[in-house]
Amino acid sequence: DSGVTQTPKHLITATGQRVTLRCSPRSGDLSVYWYQQSLDQGLQFLIQYYNGEERAKGNILERFSAQQFPDLHSELNLSSLELGDSALYFCASSVGGREASEQYFGPGTRLTVT
Amino acid sequence: GEDVEQSLFLSVREGDSSVINCTYTDSSSTYLYWYKQEPGAGLQLLTYIFSNMDMKQDQRLTVLLNKKDKHLSLRIADTQTGDSAIYFCAEYNAGNMLTFGGGTRLMVKP
Repeated sequence: DSGVTQTPKHLITATGQRVTLRCSPRSGDLSVYWYQQSLDQGLQFLIQYYNGEERAKGNILERFSAQQFPDLHSELNLSSLELGDSALYFCASSVGGREASEQYFGPGTRLTVT
Repeated sequence: GEDVEQSLFLSVREGDSSVINCTYTDSSSTYLYWYKQEPGAGLQLLTYIFSNMDMKQDQRLTVLLNKKDKHLSLRIADTQTGDSAIYFCAEYNAGNMLTFGGGTRLMVKP
C-alpha cells in the first residue's frame, strides 16, 4: 500500500458526460500528479500540482482539468467524454515539487466510456 | 522530444537472472526510475538511479546506467514467480515530468 488513495475504483459512463476523479496524497506529500494509462498511448503524464498550484503540464486535453485543494487532495475533471478517454487514471504523490523526487502511485481509477 | 523505449516481453525460468533494458533520448535526464506494475494494481517504485551514477544495487536488483549510450538496465537476480509483472523505466528531466517507456512484461516460468 503506497498510502495514496483514489476514488472511485471503477467508473462507467456515457459519451458526452462529465466525471470527477479524486485523489488523496500520502501524508506529508505536497505534490500530486495525474497520469493516464491506455493501451494505445501507454502511460502519459497529464498534470502536476504542488501545494495547491499547478507546477507542470503534460499531455492534458483541454476537456480535462484538475485542481488541488487546501487539504492537498486533488480532483481530475474529465468532460465531454469520448470513447478514447477510456483508460486507467493514476494519481501519484511526492514530498517535493520542482526537484526530482520519488513518486508513489495510487491504485488507479478505471474509466470506461460507452 | 523525449522518448523512452523498452522491449515488450521477456520470459525467464525461476531462479535465473532477468535483465530488462531501456533506452532514452533526453540527455538532460537527472533521475531514471524503475517501476513495477502487477495486474490490476498501480505502479510500485522499485529503485532509481541518479544520472551521475553508473550502478546501483538494492538486494536482488541491480541498475546499470550507460549515460553515453543512454541505456538503462534492471537486473533481477534469482527471479521468482512473484516477479512476474510489467516493468516500466522512466526518466525525470528538466521539463519537470516523468516520461515512461511502454513497459516490459516479465513472465517467470516455474
